[in-house]
Amino acid sequence: EPEVTQTPSHQVTQMGQEVILRCVPISNHLYFYWYRQILGQKVEFLVSFYNNEISEKSEIFDDQFSVERPDGSNFTLKIRSTKLEDSAMYFCASSVVDYRETQYFGPGTRLLVL
Amino acid sequence: AQSVTQPDIHITVSEGASLELRCNYSYGATPYLFWYVQSPGQGLQLLLKYFSGDTLVQGIKGFEAEFKRSQSSFNLRKPSVHWSDAAEYFCAVGAASSNTGKLIFGQGTTLQVKP
Repeated sequence: EPEVTQTPSHQVTQMGQEVILRCVPISNHLYFYWYRQILGQKVEFLVSFYNNEISEKSEIFDDQFSVERPDGSNFTLKIRSTKLEDSAMYFCASSVVDYRETQYFGPGTRLLVL
Repeated sequence: AQSVTQPDIHITVSEGASLELRCNYSYGATPYLFWYVQSPGQGLQLLLKYFSGDTLVQGIKGFEAEFKRSQSSFNLRKPSVHWSDAAEYFCAVGAASSNTGKLIFGQGTTLQVKP
């Protein structure tokens, strides 16, 4: 069964450094998402992406965040200058065509900012 | 504002016992409702979803959920729990009026299964 994959599974970085989290959505999917979960808190929506542009972004998704689909398979989340409070599990998800379709989630990248 | 509440952070049940996980939502428009399960080291897997129609929906792994508009609830049930059901369960709501697929999640319920 096709899966969403994410790399790396864990990343440790220093505050102020840039990080890029990578995702490979399911190949025929057209909607892409990033969510995050700070330890002990809810899974929070960050951004949705369709047709090479952001469809919606949350208040969390400020200028320090950006997303990109650099080629036909990858979907990346970049944090330009990480803060301590960016430490979280970041989940990528994708859905087939319509936003109402099931979102398939990757296993997540655990980011630790020191 | 949209929100989802899962009142039980942690639940322990005996194997073979029935299970009900509670979910309440707050959303002004017609919601789409989901239950996801997360096992350690895994991503979120969809158990079931409600968009419209029959308010009792069946999902994978023997789970079902009932949408009760009057109570703003979407509780998840299973008649007989298996040890492999131990995981974290998330209720989520999507906006029918949205075209972006944004999901709002509850805080999750951790299910422990006693032998």
